[in-house]
Amino acid sequence: GQNIDQPTEMTATEGAIVQINCTYQTSGFNGLFWYQQHAGEAPTFLSYNVLDGLEEKGRFSSFLSRSKGYSYLLLKELQMKDSASYLCAVRDLKAAGNKLTFGGGTRVLVKP
Amino acid sequence: GAGVSQSPRYKVAKRGQDVALRCDPISGHVSLFWYQQALGQGPEFLTYFQNEAQLDKSGLPSDRFFAERPEGSVSTLKIQRTQQEDSAVYLCASSLARGARTGLYPYFGPGTRLTVT
Repeated sequence: GQNIDQPTEMTATEGAIVQINCTYQTSGFNGLFWYQQHAGEAPTFLSYNVLDGLEEKGRFSSFLSRSKGYSYLLLKELQMKDSASYLCAVRDLKAAGNKLTFGGGTRVLVKP
Repeated sequence: GAGVSQSPRYKVAKRGQDVALRCDPISGHVSLFWYQQALGQGPEFLTYFQNEAQLDKSGLPSDRFFAERPEGSVSTLKIQRTQQEDSAVYLCASSLARGARTGLYPYFGPGTRLTVT
């Protein structure tokens, strides 16, 4: 099975930086994904890591350490529209279709 | 371009009623997933289709839940004799990948919010 942990909620100020941590345990790791989900909307893809290191995409960066079972999503220059839930998900090589297993999500509230 | 669409967006059912939730995946996407998302939680896997074949239904919570994808495109999730604990958002996702080690990721639909009263 898989176990994915991330903080429930974080608050940050507009213009600041927030780091959302995710730890996981899996038997057949085949990639870690971050999705953003605004209330009442579909989760949308943010980033993908399969090798160790940092992937940068504009204001968002994601880091992976496979040996530690650890990832983080870094959001820089926070904007009010970044208030959303951020979902960490792990893909299991041994599962049919390489399905994604999600953590509980981290609700980020950006304050002015 | 067209993404994943789901209908209805909202459904209210009385306890004991049957419901059917529809998912239209992105054209050409081989893989289709159903997830259940309770309020304030992450999505929980229900079932997976590769084309018309249901290869994994390990997440379906009971035999009241049934999913099909008869022609390998549109999928329907049916819940019989709904109960209050079935209240959740039901998300559908599709992807091109058939399990390759790639960065191809599932695209999600907006979900159907089911409320059982």
